[in-house]
Amino acid sequence: AQKVTQAQTEISVVEKEDVTLDCVYETRDTTYYLFWYKQPPSGELVFLIRRNSFDEQNEISGRYSWNFQKSTSSFNFTITASQVVDSAVYFCALSEEAFGNEKLTFGTGTRLTIIP
Amino acid sequence: EAQVTQNPRYLITVTGKKLTVTCSQNMNHEYMSWYRQDPGLGLRQIYYSMNVEVTDKGDVPEGYKVSRKEKRNFPLILESPSPNQTSLYFCASSTKDTEAFFGQGTRLTVV
Repeated sequence: AQKVTQAQTEISVVEKEDVTLDCVYETRDTTYYLFWYKQPPSGELVFLIRRNSFDEQNEISGRYSWNFQKSTSSFNFTITASQVVDSAVYFCALSEEAFGNEKLTFGTGTRLTIIP
Repeated sequence: EAQVTQNPRYLITVTGKKLTVTCSQNMNHEYMSWYRQDPGLGLRQIYYSMNVEVTDKGDVPEGYKVSRKEKRNFPLILESPSPNQTSLYFCASSTKDTEAFFGQGTRLTVV
């Protein structure tokens, strides 16, 4: 069975600080895919990134970066120079399919609050 | 505009009164799913569909029904709602080449 653990329930940081959201996963599949979604206060779910298990290269997109380490089964998300607009609930998810078409297994989410 | 539309967005109902939450997508996606979001539990899959007339249970299907008679629609049916089905519900759609695209969510309260 697949499982995703986001141990940080809530995090608060002051604006412009860097923050890392942790994600640890469990799966028996050798091929799997990891995702991050953002849920802003308006409630919708916004796709941020997808990573497959064969690609351990870190990824950077603007102020966002992702660190994937198979050795520790982690897929952590870092926001540098945080902004108030980053305040949201962030979900890490896991799937055995490339795009999570049939099923996404979500973590419990981390509520991030950026204090102005 | 590509979108997944859920209706209603908010609903308060009473125990035992049948209800349907509709989900419609305009992207011709084959795959559709329903998830529920609860505090401390994240999102859990209720049902999913791989195409018309093909549906399967997710992790928490008890108390729910679905149908997929048309490609664009995937309604979620609660035949006899109970308070433990109070939740935030999301519909999602995708193709084999795209990530799941989620609707705006439906907040259901069963009293």
